[in-house]
Amino acid sequence: DQQVKQNSPSLSVQEGRISILNCDYTNSMFDYFLWYKKYPAEGPTFLISISSIKDKNEDGRFTVFLNKSAKHLSLHIVPSQPGDSAVYFCAASVKTSGSRLTFGEGTQLTVNP
Amino acid sequence: GAVVSQHPSRVICKSGTSVKIECRSLDFQATTMFWYRQFPKQSLMLMATSNEGSKATYEQGVEKDKFLINHASLTLSTLTVTSAHPEDSSFYICSAPGTNVYGYTFGSGTRLTVV
Repeated sequence: DQQVKQNSPSLSVQEGRISILNCDYTNSMFDYFLWYKKYPAEGPTFLISISSIKDKNEDGRFTVFLNKSAKHLSLHIVPSQPGDSAVYFCAASVKTSGSRLTFGEGTQLTVNP
Repeated sequence: GAVVSQHPSRVICKSGTSVKIECRSLDFQATTMFWYRQFPKQSLMLMATSNEGSKATYEQGVEKDKFLINHASLTLSTLTVTSAHPEDSSFYICSAPGTNVYGYTFGSGTRLTVV
């Protein structure tokens, strides 16, 4: 039962353009969502998060949008840079102390110079 | 900020042997540690949750006798893959929750290859 899904295994964009990575979830108990960036053979690096009481959170080039009614969130990266090329995971949790993360399958983003 | 040090980063072992992976919290106390496994091009799947001073909680389908977890102190959690087989080859990552504003701190991962 995949409660967090990233339906696009890969995405390729041109440098300077916008990258949009999508994520859907099924568990309505999730109330905290995170995006991580991961390189091969390394642990995930936190990018940005959003609580379910918000519908948007912005940090520099990264913006996360949350649509609770659709159980959908997206990560926008603008402008995209070649250094952004990595696998991006969305994750969700029930925001109680020490709660675990449920990850999506990941999307490989490639930003072409 | 909070750091989780994970060792080894890479290990190759023979079938039938056991491998121990360590995760240490360097500047904070981790009462809980999550252990994940990632197969190529797949998601990070939670294997088990270790709690300091008590038994670990395993996810459905994870063999507790094969993946031994010990959380003997507030700064050290270990995962031992016993009698490893080639199908255990994977990327194992630990994570401690609630340690910073971002919510979770991950180790750098261990690439296990069983030959």
